[in-house]
Amino acid sequence: DAGVTQSPTHLIKTRGQQVTLRCSPISGHKSVSWYQQVLGQGPQFIFQYYEKEERGRGNFPDRFSARQFPNYSSELNVNALLLGDSALYLCASSLDRRPQRGYTFGSGTRLTVV
Amino acid sequence: GDSVTQMEGPVTLSEEAFLTINCTYTATGYPSLFWYVQYPGEGLQLLLKATKADDKGSNKGFEATYRKETTSFHLEKGSVQVSDSAVYFCALSDLETSYDKVIFGPGTSLSVIP
Repeated sequence: DAGVTQSPTHLIKTRGQQVTLRCSPISGHKSVSWYQQVLGQGPQFIFQYYEKEERGRGNFPDRFSARQFPNYSSELNVNALLLGDSALYLCASSLDRRPQRGYTFGSGTRLTVV
Repeated sequence: GDSVTQMEGPVTLSEEAFLTINCTYTATGYPSLFWYVQYPGEGLQLLLKATKADDKGSNKGFEATYRKETTSFHLEKGSVQVSDSAVYFCALSDLETSYDKVIFGPGTSLSVIP
């Protein structure tokens, strides 16, 4: 079985640009959560989507948005990029809304803003 | 709010040494506790978890016991290997206050030398 897949693996953007990151969860998993991991820190929660609806949002500005599709894949969009948005963006897949069961993470997308 | 504190790294050990990584937490409710591991260039993997007081999570020779009285979840391994070199994250998920997310500690980097 395929694990959680994220694309692209790396990308470089210029300040002010917009970026879209993609995630496909494990087959049968209906929840996708997004986390931002700045170098040297633990992951910070951005969004949870379950059954195509936003179920939770972390302390991130409105420049960050996301959606989930009928096949449960998800996209994370970041507008008006800042240097501080440079980070590893992780997608976490889970069977249902409850992360208490434990997540399966993808390998992440490394975003560099210059 | 809920939070996780870990011992600062980096931790450097010789192969076959005993490992302890300390983790304490602050939570309003009764959280589930986790250890995740991140190998270089990869996403996070769930290492072990515990959902109630005195539960012991274990996997791959690693163990951690949920201590409610000391609000701790220390990670231990009796004999580390070079392949255990990674960053270890203690984390919690609290059904009462953060139903939709996992809160991670800052991570502890472990290097095991032959």
